[in-house]
Order: sequence, then structure tokens, then C-alpha cells
Amino acid sequence: DQQVKQNSPSLSVQEGRISILNCDYTNSMFDYFLWYKKYPAEGPTFLISISSIKDKNEDGRFTVFLNKSAKHLSLHIVPSQPGDSAVYFCAASAIQGAQKLVFGQGTRLTINP
Amino acid sequence: DGGITQSPKYLFRKEGQNVTLSCEQNLNHDAMYWYRQDPGQGLRLIYYSQIVNDFQKGDIAEGYSVSREKKESFPLTVTSAQKNPTAFYLCASSSRGYSLNVRGIFSYNEQFFGPGTRLTVL
Repeated sequence: DQQVKQNSPSLSVQEGRISILNCDYTNSMFDYFLWYKKYPAEGPTFLISISSIKDKNEDGRFTVFLNKSAKHLSLHIVPSQPGDSAVYFCAASAIQGAQKLVFGQGTRLTINP
Repeated sequence: DGGITQSPKYLFRKEGQNVTLSCEQNLNHDAMYWYRQDPGQGLRLIYYSQIVNDFQKGDIAEGYSVSREKKESFPLTVTSAQKNPTAFYLCASSSRGYSLNVRGIFSYNEQFFGPGTRLTVL
């Protein structure tokens, strides 16, 4: 039972354009969402997060949007840069659920020059 | 220089042998976690520990064991009972779960990951 889903395994975007990565979840108890970035053969690094009391959080080129009614969140990267090429995981947590993170399958983002 | 170390980076073992993966952190975090990553899949939680001398099973604990005798260390043993042990193993740590700020708003204490160990069972 996949509680957090990233339905696009890969995404290719031209340098300078906007990258939009999507994530859906099924558990309405989730109240905190995070995005991690991962390069090959390395551990993921934290990118940005959002609490369920907000619908948007922005940090430089990265913005995360949360639509609770649709159980959907998205990560926008603008402008996209070659160094953004990586696998992006979304993750969710529920304060009632032992505070574990549940991860999506990941989306491989490739930024083309 | 604070962080999480995992050793070794690559590990090869014969089928039927137990193997222990090391994870050490000097971030003074209470909570530690073990995940495994397989191609095309997300990170799946094996075991986690929120405090010394205590740990809980994650979603795929069968065939694995852990110990948490020290705050800094959370070794994972992959036993011969694990049917498909070849994978990339990631250790993480965090301050315990959620924290409450002065405005009464909860925030999640994000997990920091080590560089991972790729285990190949021959």
C-alpha cells in the first residue's frame, strides 16, 4: 500500500525553465511534508518542507505547494539549473504515527542545456 | 565537523553470511533510522530508534536486526534470513520527531542521511 506516490519516474526540463515535480498521498493523517534531493551513490539531502497548516513555502529557487483537499503537493524549481539534475523524493510524516517518514518512489530530474 | 558516517561504502558477502553495517553520528541526535533503497523504489524503513536502548521495527524488518547501546551508534545486521539483501542501505538521524516552537506550531525535525553502503551478496 503506497501511501506516498510520485507517479512520474523521470522528468526532463530545459535549463532556465521551470521544473515541477508532483507527489500524491493517501493518508489524511499526514501533517508534514518534505522534499529530499539525492545524487547517485550518496545519501539524500533535505531540500524544503511544508506543514499542513500552510499551502506554500518558498526558499530561493524552490517552492513547495500543498493542496490538502486533493492530497497533492508539488515542488517548483525556477529557474532550473544543471546542478538540479538528481532524484527527488517527497516524504510525509504524521505526528500521530511515531513520527516516521514515508517516502515516495522518487522522480529523476534531468536538466538539459 | 558534524555528520553521519557509514562504513564501508561497498560491501560484498557470500550468501548465507550475516553482515553488520556501521552507522555513527556526532550530531547529538536522539533518533536514528535505517532504510533500504532498491532500483525504482523509494526509501523503505527497516528499523528506527528514538532513544538509546530502544528501537522499533519499520515496514521491512524481517531478516534484519539492530542494537542501540550508544546514542552515537546504530549498527544494522543483515542476517542470512533476509531473502534479498542486495541493496543500497541508508542510515539517518534526527532530533526526536516533532518540536513545538514558541508560537505553538509543530515542525518536523528533518532527517540527515549518511552516504550509504551498497551491499552485494554473491
